[in-house]
Amino acid sequence: AQSVTQPDIHITVSEGASLELRCNYSYGATPYLFWYVQSPGQGLQLLLKYFSGDTLVQGIKGFEAEFKRSQSSFNLRKPSVHWSDAAEYFCAVGAPRDDKIIFGKGTRLHILP
Amino acid sequence: DTEVTQTPKHLVMGMTNKKSLKCEQHMGHRAMYWYKQKAKKPPELMFVYSYEKLSINESVPSRFSPECPNSSLLNLHLHALQPEDSALYLCASSQDVKEYTEAFFGQGTRLTVV
Repeated sequence: AQSVTQPDIHITVSEGASLELRCNYSYGATPYLFWYVQSPGQGLQLLLKYFSGDTLVQGIKGFEAEFKRSQSSFNLRKPSVHWSDAAEYFCAVGAPRDDKIIFGKGTRLHILP
Repeated sequence: DTEVTQTPKHLVMGMTNKKSLKCEQHMGHRAMYWYKQKAKKPPELMFVYSYEKLSINESVPSRFSPECPNSSLLNLHLHALQPEDSALYLCASSQDVKEYTEAFFGQGTRLTVV
């Protein structure tokens, strides 16, 4: 069964600084990987996804993520954060021909002015 | 239209009440999901419907009863809930569970059991 780990519960960065959120997965083959963002009391919005092909994936709102098979990682990056990026970020993993995706515990991003 | 619409947005119910949560999508998706999310926790999968048939029940208590009347609608019937069932209930849909694509989430129903 697949699983996903987000090692950082909270991350604080200054506005305008770069950001990297970590995600590690466990799965025997190439999984489907996702990053979702959730603002307080809201649903989840997909930032980007990886199924196959180019390992550097571009998403919405200036986010990107890189799939590294050797490290079982799918870290999320943004070169310059904005105050509106403060939210909860979930990495998620799914498996081909499986019916479900599994979410990591999430990373809360705080932005300093 | 890439929306998943959930109603109501907020619901307060007593432990003896019966209520239903509704979810609707018009994207032609054939897989629909119910997730439960407690505060400061990730969403936890409850049920998956694939082509209007229940394909996954993650050992959810029988006081939660899902229903998929057609390919666009998903309901969650609630009966005799407990205060610990208070949470954000999220509905999601995806094109097809077997050829997986991303799940689109609704804004959720904030449920409070008193």
